This record gives sequence, structure tokens and C-alpha cells, in this order.
Amino acid sequence: DAGVIQSPRHEVTEMGQEVTLRCKPISGHDYLFWYRQTMMRGLELLIYFNNNVPIDDSGMPEDRFSAKMPNASFSTLKIQPSEPRDSAVYFCASSPVVRTTEAFFGQGTRLTVV
Amino acid sequence: AQSVTQPDIHITVSEGASLELRCNYSYGATPYLFWYVQSPGQGLQLLLKYFSGDTLVQGIKGFEAEFKRSQSSFNLRKPSVHWSDAAEYFCAVGAEEGNAGNMLTFGGGTRLMVKP
Repeated sequence: DAGVIQSPRHEVTEMGQEVTLRCKPISGHDYLFWYRQTMMRGLELLIYFNNNVPIDDSGMPEDRFSAKMPNASFSTLKIQPSEPRDSAVYFCASSPVVRTTEAFFGQGTRLTVV
Repeated sequence: AQSVTQPDIHITVSEGASLELRCNYSYGATPYLFWYVQSPGQGLQLLLKYFSGDTLVQGIKGFEAEFKRSQSSFNLRKPSVHWSDAAEYFCAVGAEEGNAGNMLTFGGGTRLMVKP
């Protein structure tokens, strides 16, 4: 398996534009997580899915953020409209049901909103 | 709610010296504990994990960590640091709820610098 795949790796956009980040989890993993990494707040969980169903979105900062998982092999995180304070690295991770197996992380998407 | 504290934001060691990175956690039950490493511009790679059993766990790249319940600690160690170990290190604890998969709560990270 190629691991968790995120695209794009880098995104630069203007304030007010819509941004969509994409993630392909490892095949067979039941859980998918979206994390955000910033200097100020470190790594924080935004939302996670179990079998494509959103379970906990309490970490989503505002209504401008939304996430979907239309099928087991694809998830998106959308920001509309984007703001400069959304600039961060966004990580997607997936893990199987068995908790003794760790979560695997993608390479991240570095988002810059100017 | 669980939490993780990494008291040292930055650590500098000389190449060949020993290393210990501290991690303290707050958790209601027996924790699932992890150490991840992040090289610049890269994702997070698992170094090692603890679920149960032997409290001294071995990981990749010569790292080990010891779970001490009495101290709520899971410190990471390496006997001899290499220049390639310069990176940021994150301690994390898994979710208390059994149905949350490996949802992680991370510490703030420790940035390791290695002097030649």
C-alpha cells in the first residue's frame, strides 16, 4: 500500500477563496482523521470519521470548515471562504479498528492564505 | 479529558551523546502511548508505541521509551544521537473511548537539534 495520500502538497490561495484538501486513506482502514498543525496550537484534531461517517467534529474551528467522506477511499476538507489565519499544515491520518495498530499519517498539505 | 505535556520545547545535544525527551500524560485508564517523529517538511512517522506488557518498548532508529505509570510518564531515550535524528518529536496518547480508533492527543512537541 502507498500509505495515506494527500493532495495537494502545497496550496497558496487568496483570502476569500475556497480551498479543498484531499485525502486517500490506507485501504481497509476504518478510521480517518484530519489534523491541523500550527506554531501556536501545535497538532490538533479537527474531525474524524468511522466507516465514512463523521463521529466528532468538535475540533472544526468554524462553519467555514467542512469535511466529507463520500466513500471509504476518499475524504475532503474544505474551507470556504479561506482566511489568512487558516494558514497551516493539514494532515490526514487513517487507522484500522484494532487499536494496537497505530494511525498512519499522510505527508500533509501546507496551506498558505494570502 | 486526556492531555499530553512535553516540557522541553527545544533540546540541543552533541552527536554521540545520549538523549532523553520527556513526556507526561493525563489519562483515566491504561493509556495507549506513542512517539512520532517529524522531519522538516514531512509527515509524522511512528517511532514506537506502548499498549500493555513490558514497560520498556523498543522502536525504530535505536529509540526506546519507558512507561512509568506512577509518574504518568513515557520518556523517549536514545543512547547515542546521530545528526540525522535532528527533527521534531511528538508524544501522543490514544483516545480513552474504545470506539474512537486511534484518535490522538498530541503534546506540543520537542525540537531536537544535534551539534556536530
